[in-house]
Amino acid sequence: NAGVTQTPKFRVLKTGQSMTLLCAQDMNHEYMYWYRQDPGMGLRLIHYSVGEGTTAKGEVPDGYNVSRLKKQNFLLGLESAAPSQTSVYFCASSSRGADLYGYTFGSGTRLTVV
Amino acid sequence: RKEVEQDPGPFNVPEGATVAFNCTYSNSASQSFFWYRQDCRKEPKLLMSVYSSGNEDGRFTAQLNRASQYISLLIRDSKLSDSATYLCVVNSNTGNQFYFGTGTSLTVIP
Repeated sequence: NAGVTQTPKFRVLKTGQSMTLLCAQDMNHEYMYWYRQDPGMGLRLIHYSVGEGTTAKGEVPDGYNVSRLKKQNFLLGLESAAPSQTSVYFCASSSRGADLYGYTFGSGTRLTVV
Repeated sequence: RKEVEQDPGPFNVPEGATVAFNCTYSNSASQSFFWYRQDCRKEPKLLMSVYSSGNEDGRFTAQLNRASQYISLLIRDSKLSDSATYLCVVNSNTGNQFYFGTGTSLTVIP
């Protein structure tokens, strides 16, 4: 009963490096989301997906790309990391009934870009 | 204007106290409202949904005021384990996105 699993949990990158964050859910949820959380800013939506093969931009998409090739996985890519991308990244998923049941979050990835 | 606004606190209350948080939202078309709880360095977890008629779950009561566009959370008989940050969450008018407040910090003191 894993729910939403994020890997890695921690990462330190140098400016300009690239990386991919993986989110996997085993609840057969249609919707998946990537958020970042910064002090004083709350959770902000980066990208989301309403089904396999679909992606859409959220509130702060610049500098990130995503893919949803399989229903259970949602990948977040940073092509050229910048210090402004230092943050805690949360993946979330929901069924079509998100309006009733809300989201389930992963435990987060703490990313530091130096 | 932010979609969702909360008083960041901190609220420091003694055990057994009653404490209330408010949250205002800007989109009058919003239909879904939630309170999430987030412990330090952990992920947010759903505390409760907020229904139009108000709802209660044990010591927690949530209310919605559509006319004034705010939701509230009341915690009675506070426990040490209630210490956390409480996030107000409101959906967008498209329904696909949720907006999170910055959270209200609560510390319950022995």
